[in-house]
Amino acid sequence: DTEVTQTPKHLVMGMTNKKSLKCEQHMGHRAMYWYKQKAKKPPELMFVYSYEKLSINESVPSRFSPECPNSSLLNLHLHALQPEDSALYLCASSQGLRDIEQYFGPGTRLTVT
Amino acid sequence: EDKVVQSPLSLVVHEGDTVTLNCSYEVTNFRSLLWYKQEKKAPTFLFMLTSSGIEKKSGRLSSILDKKELFSILNITATQTGDSAIYLCAVGRGAGNMLTFGGGTRLMVKP
Repeated sequence: DTEVTQTPKHLVMGMTNKKSLKCEQHMGHRAMYWYKQKAKKPPELMFVYSYEKLSINESVPSRFSPECPNSSLLNLHLHALQPEDSALYLCASSQGLRDIEQYFGPGTRLTVT
Repeated sequence: EDKVVQSPLSLVVHEGDTVTLNCSYEVTNFRSLLWYKQEKKAPTFLFMLTSSGIEKKSGRLSSILDKKELFSILNITATQTGDSAIYLCAVGRGAGNMLTFGGGTRLMVKP
């Protein structure tokens, strides 16, 4: 299984809602990542997890809260988002932090109304 | 500030043409350079380059890295309509395996 899966595919939420994005991989990878991609822009790194511990937070606002409950799962909890947070949220994984090659999931397209 | 710049921004060619996409970079703690193809959603991995001057090939695609001049090129020969996509260059940096992406080149191959 060389796939990273993400759910849901699409999400529309209001500014007062709380929702979560989910990411799963069964490749035995120990590093997982969240990226945000705005329209016609490249992906921007948000968070890096290594061995289920948060390794890097690229100064992301606290309304985004990542969680890694086990080595296969990565969540992104969303609360009190702004319309400008609307974007494609991509999850990726790699064997470890020493392995540059990252495999991406299909993303969740988030719209904040 | 780390910077990855791709050119051209967009390109329109006809099937059978050969294209060359460029990526230049200025980053601290360079580890490797990666090329991805993004069609509708997930970027799909094409190549990872860590050493200068060694060409990587996969079918009609090839890529090479110049660590002295800080750039890489991606060549696609005998282009097909299925090659239409955004091609992203990313530089892996630092101990945290962080990727910094360039702005992408949007390639359209017309029949």
